Amino acid sequence: NAGVMQNPRHLVRRRGQEARLRCSPMKGHSHVYWYRQLPEEGLKFMVYLQKENIIDESGMPKERFSAEFPKEGPSILRIQQVVRGDSAAYFCASSPRTGTTPYEQYFGPGTRLTVT
Amino acid sequence: AQSVAQPEDQVNVAEGNPLTVKCTYSVSGNPYLFWYVQYPNRGLQFLLKYITGDNLVKGSYGFEAEFNKSQTSFHLKKPSALVSDSALYFCAFMNDYKLSFGAGTTVTVRA
Repeated sequence: NAGVMQNPRHLVRRRGQEARLRCSPMKGHSHVYWYRQLPEEGLKFMVYLQKENIIDESGMPKERFSAEFPKEGPSILRIQQVVRGDSAAYFCASSPRTGTTPYEQYFGPGTRLTVT
Repeated sequence: AQSVAQPEDQVNVAEGNPLTVKCTYSVSGNPYLFWYVQYPNRGLQFLLKYITGDNLVKGSYGFEAEFNKSQTSFHLKKPSALVSDSALYFCAFMNDYKLSFGAGTTVTVRA
């Protein structure tokens, strides 16, 4: 029973390039969350998606960042024109569903983005 | 603003001794509280959660946590620590579907 998969595990980009981070949720999970772990800021929520829908992107920077979870394929977090401050670990999590009972979220191993 | 706090940046214990990692919360209503552990260069692993019911929650790897409403605490405990428990531990609360994490506590268990 595979867990949450993320790739690549490490990504190096030069300033101004684009970064694409992929996440495949656990089997049977239809809810995906992205979190960012910055060295001095800890883990912060970025965005919550269901298939073909962005439910909450309140934690996403207003510019350059976008996310999608298409009907087929993994969820993608896209960062355009990366800057050094984007260097961080990006974690994807998934859960079976949300509702009145809070479900734990299962995390992937993360993608460590380094911007040079 | 709602939050959880982990007052200790680091906890050091000897193997075989009890381990406690502290967490206090400031959350309105009924708090949904979680503990996760992060090993170096790995993702977060779920340990346990408190939603309602018994104040003592048992989780993975021999860990447990006690929800204390009067002290607004949710401390993580393990009766006998192992060297392999050395990791970064996060307390979190869930508001709707968003997890909000504490700053983390680095646990070092020495042999």
